[in-house]
This record gives sequence, structure tokens and C-alpha cells, in this order.
Amino acid sequence: EAQVTQNPRYLITVTGKKLTVTCSQNMNHEYMSWYRQDPGLGLRQIYYSMNVEVTDKGDVPEGYKVSRKEKRNFPLILESPSPNQTSLYFCASSLKGRGEQFFGPGTRLTVL
Amino acid sequence: SQQGEEDPQALSIQEGENATMNCSYKTSINNLQWYRQNSGRGLVHLILIRSNEREKHSGRLRVTLDTSKKSSSLLITASRAADTASYFCATDVRAGKSTFGDGTTLTVKP
Repeated sequence: EAQVTQNPRYLITVTGKKLTVTCSQNMNHEYMSWYRQDPGLGLRQIYYSMNVEVTDKGDVPEGYKVSRKEKRNFPLILESPSPNQTSLYFCASSLKGRGEQFFGPGTRLTVL
Repeated sequence: SQQGEEDPQALSIQEGENATMNCSYKTSINNLQWYRQNSGRGLVHLILIRSNEREKHSGRLRVTLDTSKKSSSLLITASRAADTASYFCATDVRAGKSTFGDGTTLTVKP
């Protein structure tokens, strides 16, 4: 089944404790993105990647890191999480030039 | 601020009625897409319209795009209770770079 998977789905952590949210797609898509969704603010793009080793900042990259060492994986790293990073996070992927994005189920992160 | 803005923020209609939601954006785009989200779950792609297209249909969905006004509308005809969800427009300004609107919450009453 074609899908985007994210892990974990739920995470409660404390300020400053490094964490990684994994994202994997099995559709051989070139493009991958990370978004955060906060009430009343829609989705905001954090980082995106157009292919292996090619990443760029979205609208809200501060406090996040990404890497794209393999085409299928695009992990999101929070080196020192803070409470303002409490949010619902989505990973998405798409074929180059197609526009249509496939979304993962989301990761609900709470930073205490 | 966000590239896309949608209105209304919330819309409540009866089953069988049509629902129209609008999206405005600020810069030139390659394409515009509409997505649906059911209560905090992942977004599902509904329809994409390219910058050189003016109207597109898919089942009960009709999307229009006016690049001179930098606006788009999504019409859902003969709505059903299962259409209850949040709807978002998204614009691609360049490869990989997407911006979403704040969404319209649609409630369809049986």
C-alpha cells in the first residue's frame, strides 16, 4: 500500500531533550516536506527536500533540523525542544512536478 | 503571514446544499491545490489546478482559479454529512515550496 508513515504518533517530552520524528514513504517520491499545524494557523512548512542531500528552509525552520540521506526517509530533528514547539506535525511527499502531496497520519508532540 | 487566506473560516449547511469556500493568495503560483482534513488527521488531496487553467471538475467538486485576482474557489455540490471536514488551499510558488491557507471548517448537518 502506498503510504507515508511517521513515528512516533504521540510524544510527550521535556524541554531540551533531543528528539527525532521519523518519516518514510514507499512511493519513490522525490519531494518531501515537514509541516506543523497549530490551531488557527493552518499548516506551516518547516523544511522541504527535493531529493537526496537537497533540503531547503520553509517558513518556520527555526529550532528544527532535517536530513535526507535516503530517498525514502526524511527525519525531523529537534535538538533542544521548547514548549513553543508543541504542535501537530505532518510529513508529506510528492512526485517531482506533480504537486499532489501525500500526507502521513501526523505526530502530536507535547514539550513540557 | 500565510500566502493563502481562506474564507469563510467556518461554514454550516444542510445536507444537499452546495458549499463554496474561497482562497486568496499573494504571489505568483505554479499551481493551487485543495485538501481535506478530518479532525486532526492527515490531509487528503482533492484537486489540483494549474496556473494556466481556469476551471476544473472532479466528481462533486468544482474549482476555479482567477490569477488576475489571485483567488480560487472550491464548490462542493449536493453536500453530504461525510463532507464535514476542514478544507485547505495550498499554493506551490516553486519546486517543493508550498504554502497552506488557514482553512475553512465545513459542517454539513443531516
